[in-house]
Amino acid sequence: NAGVTQTPKFQVLKTGQSMTLQCAQDMNHEYMSWYRQDPGMGLRLIHYSVGAGITDQGEVPNGYNVSRSTTEDFPLRLLSAAPSQTSVYFCASSPRGWSQPQHFGDGTRLSIL
Amino acid sequence: ELKVEQNPLFLSMQEGKNYTIYCNYSTTSDRLYWYRQDPGKSLESLFVLLSNGAVKQEGRLMASLDTKARLSTLHITAAVHDLSATYFCAVDLSGYGGSQGNLIFGKGTKLSVKP
Repeated sequence: NAGVTQTPKFQVLKTGQSMTLQCAQDMNHEYMSWYRQDPGMGLRLIHYSVGAGITDQGEVPNGYNVSRSTTEDFPLRLLSAAPSQTSVYFCASSPRGWSQPQHFGDGTRLSIL
Repeated sequence: ELKVEQNPLFLSMQEGKNYTIYCNYSTTSDRLYWYRQDPGKSLESLFVLLSNGAVKQEGRLMASLDTKARLSTLHITAAVHDLSATYFCAVDLSGYGGSQGNLIFGKGTKLSVKP
């Protein structure tokens, strides 16, 4: 059981480039989320989804887009990368029911030059 | 604005000692999660606390939740080096204007246990 898989694990971009961070889960979880982790800031929610076709903004959505066409996949798109988006990005999923914790992927370490 | 505040942010302990990490939050919620993160790694779920007075224990760690005080604690008993990590609390906003999957995290407590 792979759990939550994020690709790539590392990426370096130039300012202004666009890219998509991939997230896939094989646990049939309804809920999926994207967080960014910066030193001393904890994790901050970017976007989340409560099911296929439904997404919503979190705390820090600017500069990012998401879509959820299937239950399994929840890609995060950086439209025009900026140095302020240098961070570690985590994808998480959880099943319906608030008794279940979120399961996190291994993260994508992104540097914007 | 919802705030989740942890203290201390840094904690250096000696092996064998006891200590408590505090997590205060500013809105009504009766669902709180504790996670552990090792350097360069992902987050691992430790505890799920779902109601006022909830107490969970695993090994040398015990977590509790007081929803009236909006406070959760993570107590470490007889610390060992293997407990060195960063510990995060997170508040679930579902049922209070938020949706499941919408967690607000504290900034984390970096614990270092020294021999």
